[in-house]
Amino acid sequence: QSALTQPPSVSGSPGQSVTISCSGTSSDVGSYNRVSWYQQPPGTAPKLMIYEVSNRPSGVPDRFSGSKSGNTASLTISGLQAEDEADYYCCFYTTSSTLVFGGGTKLTVL
Amino acid sequence: QVQLQESGPGLVKPSETLSLTCTVSGGSINSYFWSWIRQPPGKGLEWIGYVYHSGSTNYNPSLKSRVTISVDTSRKRVSLNLNAVTAADTALYYCASLLCSTTSCAFDSWGQGTLVTVSS
Repeated sequence: QSALTQPPSVSGSPGQSVTISCSGTSSDVGSYNRVSWYQQPPGTAPKLMIYEVSNRPSGVPDRFSGSKSGNTASLTISGLQAEDEADYYCCFYTTSSTLVFGGGTKLTVL
Repeated sequence: QVQLQESGPGLVKPSETLSLTCTVSGGSINSYFWSWIRQPPGKGLEWIGYVYHSGSTNYNPSLKSRVTISVDTSRKRVSLNLNAVTAADTALYYCASLLCSTTSCAFDSWGQGTLVTVSS
């Protein structure tokens, strides 16, 4: 399966904005809006934050937004809060109807 | 959203079969694909596979030769069997509902996970 590349870590101060990238190829992320994002605070199960690149499930704050440019999808968190400190994973639904996760990014709120 | 609860042995011996069950409540088992995902300690998420209520399945190519996922719609249970386990299969195993549109899928509910350790 194709790999999705995420930065191991990002950080930001409360109130700032941070962006987490998820890089694929022109054959996957670049061609299809099939990226979802998950938040996993320490010791808890992941939670869906964004689906189909930019759609937010009900109950997810609008501080969380998703976008895509070329072969890279991005998750942006604006107005950073201490509770946003977590691991974040992107995921792609492939043309073979399988799923692949990115390696994960640890967000630290300074 | 549905609620999901994983259960099964926390310790499995090398070369044996890991067997877990996911019990679904609060929703229709016919509305989703049902998936297993694992997370080795301190590492990232790995998709294992999914099953539809019809019984059709799809698996991670890297695990396909060792995995079987099945569904019992009458008991609202989803099962995972992973055979010939090694220490590399030690992980937190999650059950998740996979909601699919005409173009994509996303995991919209997750269980709390169950830790399985492979050791003699």
